[in-house]
Amino acid sequence: ETGVTQTPRHLVMGMTNKKSLKCEQHLGHNAMYWYKQSAKKPLELMFVYSLEERVENNSVPSRFSPECPNSSHLFLHLHTLQPEDSALYLCASSQETGLGEQFFGPGTRLTVL
Amino acid sequence: AQTVTQSQPEMSVQEAETVTLSCTYDTSESDYYLFWYKQPPSRQMILVIRQEAYKQQNATENRFSVNFQKAAKSFSLKISDSQLGDAAMYFCAYTVYGGSQGNLIFGKGTKLSVKP
Repeated sequence: ETGVTQTPRHLVMGMTNKKSLKCEQHLGHNAMYWYKQSAKKPLELMFVYSLEERVENNSVPSRFSPECPNSSHLFLHLHTLQPEDSALYLCASSQETGLGEQFFGPGTRLTVL
Repeated sequence: AQTVTQSQPEMSVQEAETVTLSCTYDTSESDYYLFWYKQPPSRQMILVIRQEAYKQQNATENRFSVNFQKAAKSFSLKISDSQLGDAAMYFCAYTVYGGSQGNLIFGKGTKLSVKP
């Protein structure tokens, strides 16, 4: 595997389910990010991790819970989501925060019923 | 607040022709990066080109080049010899150099269609 990978690519869940999104980067980067991409809206930053420490929580509801066990892996735990949470969730990484470009994964298309 | 504006929701270009996508931004910072990302229907966001604000020379990557006007806070993307594979959403993005959050601020995107 190369670059940034995300699993699953598609996820359908009910409002009472608990699920997790996984992101893995194979680039040796120190910073990782979660973004939400909804139709007709700009990408929204959700969380930023630098060297496994959260440095940004962009007023995200508590039903989204991130976890960064090491600099290569990032998870987004989901519970009791709402239909308006349906979106494309993108993971990205960069060498450091605020230094150069971010490399994105293919995204997880989430549908909440 | 830092904002990125893409005023063209959709653009169309004939194959082999040239097209320019517009982007303006607002910031009080002097040191920052600007990027153009491409997102084809496969959804993978791919970096097209980047520009450091301190560099006066416009960045180029093969058929892609930018016109960076720092005083005007303008950052347009020119695609030369357009190909069918260039059809995608194009996003302009900004980030502060050395920012502790490192968050990219994106425009709403421009959907580019390429006609054969």
